[in-house]
Amino acid sequence: GAVVSQHPSRVICKSGTSVKIECRSLDFQATTMFWYRQFPKQSLMLMATSNEGSKATYEQGVEKDKFLINHASLTLSTLTVTSAHPEDSSFYICSARDDRAILYEQYFGPGTRLTVT
Amino acid sequence: AQSVTQLDSHVSVSEGTPVLLRCNYSSSYSPSLFWYVQHPNKGLQLLLKYTSAATLVKGINGFEAEFKKSETSFHLTKPSAHMSDAAEYFCVVSDLGGATNKLIFGTGTLLAVQP
Repeated sequence: GAVVSQHPSRVICKSGTSVKIECRSLDFQATTMFWYRQFPKQSLMLMATSNEGSKATYEQGVEKDKFLINHASLTLSTLTVTSAHPEDSSFYICSARDDRAILYEQYFGPGTRLTVT
Repeated sequence: AQSVTQLDSHVSVSEGTPVLLRCNYSSSYSPSLFWYVQHPNKGLQLLLKYTSAATLVKGINGFEAEFKKSETSFHLTKPSAHMSDAAEYFCVVSDLGGATNKLIFGTGTLLAVQP
């Protein structure tokens, strides 16, 4: 149980275009999901907290107009990288908190590698 | 503010020998602490967690960690390394009682296991 999927697993896009990444909780409902960014050989940095039915909460330094988050259902959150630039190339990872689980339990997706050319 | 420091960016052990991955934390609250493992091209997997119960926590795949408040440490150990343990390991702290459940990740330790 507690599986989180991400789609796509890899995406290459041209500079200036937008890319949407999906995060789904497959066998549980998740009111809260999280989006992280991981640079090569570095740690995960929390970008934003996504709450179903409300606006996302962004961490300091993360541009909310560039990284659009939509959490329209209890099993799906999307991250859209708008007007992508090469410096947006990174590994994006989502996690989802099981609404039934004890506090703190987050389940992670496999990640999406974005390359902007 | 909370933070974690992983003291070693790389650790190399021989198969069958003990593993020690070090982690120190800083927290204004009673922390919740976790160890996650990330294999290449795979998602993060929870190894174990401490949430103010027993200070010695046993996890999956033979790993365990001990919460030592006096040393602000949460080191990860395993008695005997296996080749399949080669991966990146992250020590993580979370704010107890925080509704956001934010996880603060350490910089990671890459474990190499030599045959």
